[in-house]
Amino acid sequence: DQQVKQNSPSLSVQEGRISILNCDYTNSMFDYFLWYKKYPAEGPTFLISISSIKDKNEDGRFTVFLNKSAKHLSLHIVPSQPGDSAVYFCAASAWGNTPLVFGKGTRLSVIA
Amino acid sequence: ETGVTQTPRHLVMGMTNKKSLKCEQHLGHNAMYWYKQSAKKPLELMFVYNFKEQTENNSVPSRFSPECPNSSHLFLHLHTLQPEDSALYLCASSQIADQETQYFGPGTRLLVL
Repeated sequence: DQQVKQNSPSLSVQEGRISILNCDYTNSMFDYFLWYKKYPAEGPTFLISISSIKDKNEDGRFTVFLNKSAKHLSLHIVPSQPGDSAVYFCAASAWGNTPLVFGKGTRLSVIA
Repeated sequence: ETGVTQTPRHLVMGMTNKKSLKCEQHLGHNAMYWYKQSAKKPLELMFVYNFKEQTENNSVPSRFSPECPNSSHLFLHLHTLQPEDSALYLCASSQIADQETQYFGPGTRLLVL
């Protein structure tokens, strides 16, 4: 059973608009969440993270929101740029430095 | 070279072949990982090495054999693979104290015929 779910395999957004990528998790022991971004022919690269003691973390155009009661997090990209087109993976880990658990990824296409 | 490198980038092998994937990290990390990414499936953790010692083996078949001779190098030895083992194999590294923030290599795309 998947512990980290990204239910949208793909998302298409116009340049300049907001991109919202969603992630749900089932394991209540998860306390640290990350987003990774992957371009074709490259490995995933770390983008932004959030600890369970916070509900929002912002880094430039990227903001991650965490709703612990709903076991849901989202990544907002504002404004979206064509260079943001990539696959975005949500990942989570539990207390104690346990291995990361990844979602299937969402392919974002930002159209100029 | 910087970051995490993987060779070869592409590999085609028959089911009776023996091959090895190589990963090298130039980041001074002390933990290394092998992941498998199959189409339409999440990244699956295969093996974890902390300070060259294997700490995680995620029920991986014995036809995959990892080797970590030092904290900078990681190998994945392959033998008698099956077509369903065709996937992208990603290596990653991190500090043991910060295993959430992993740095990935570009991956080896493997096709088993």
